[in-house]
Amino acid sequence: GEDVEQSLFLSVREGDSSVINCTYTDSSSTYLYWYKQEPGAGLQLLTYIFSNMDMKQDQRLTVLLNKKDKHLSLRIADTQTGDSAIYFCAVDILTGGGNKLTFGTGTQLKVEL
Amino acid sequence: EAGVAQSPRYKIIEKRQSVAFWCNPISGHATLYWYQQILGQGPKLLIQFQNNGVVDDSQLPKDRFSAERLKGVDSTLKIQPAKLEDSAVYLCASTLVTVSGNTIYFGEGSWLTVV
Repeated sequence: GEDVEQSLFLSVREGDSSVINCTYTDSSSTYLYWYKQEPGAGLQLLTYIFSNMDMKQDQRLTVLLNKKDKHLSLRIADTQTGDSAIYFCAVDILTGGGNKLTFGTGTQLKVEL
Repeated sequence: EAGVAQSPRYKIIEKRQSVAFWCNPISGHATLYWYQQILGQGPKLLIQFQNNGVVDDSQLPKDRFSAERLKGVDSTLKIQPAKLEDSAVYLCASTLVTVSGNTIYFGEGSWLTVV
């Protein structure tokens, strides 16, 4: 099955850029997502990228996809304390039974003043 | 647009008791998912419905977990009897596939503690 890996922790200073990385194994992925989870809350969809794209920008967020290396990254520009949360990479695979999401273990982002 | 609704938000039960969680997806979303998220881990798919049919339940512990979506809209997930290791957040999600993309939306989750 699909395996999605992320580093566990990232600490940055307020105002710096954050880069959260993700690697996956299944090359047949159709969509790749980034979700944000704050303490005690559900998953908030931040952005997603279709597998035939290599970059997508949405305000402070930039997603880069390297299909050859099966590597996905999320860059947050001008990181704020409100960005502190756990960020999950998720890979969507279209199977005969429909779309299935496989999640990474999550990267905890800590933003320091 | 209303989001994915789940209830109850929090539940504490003793082991061997039973519990049920309810989910109402976004209107018009044919696909509904139940995920289990254990503390410190990413969500893991338990079961996927397309309308009222089960598409994938390969990771559902069928000896104690059951789920249904009788009318193809809302769904219930039941655990009976509960074990300590079932303590987790149970996330419901729904999706609508369109020509412009496939976005999957999650509810706030039902937090289960088994003591």
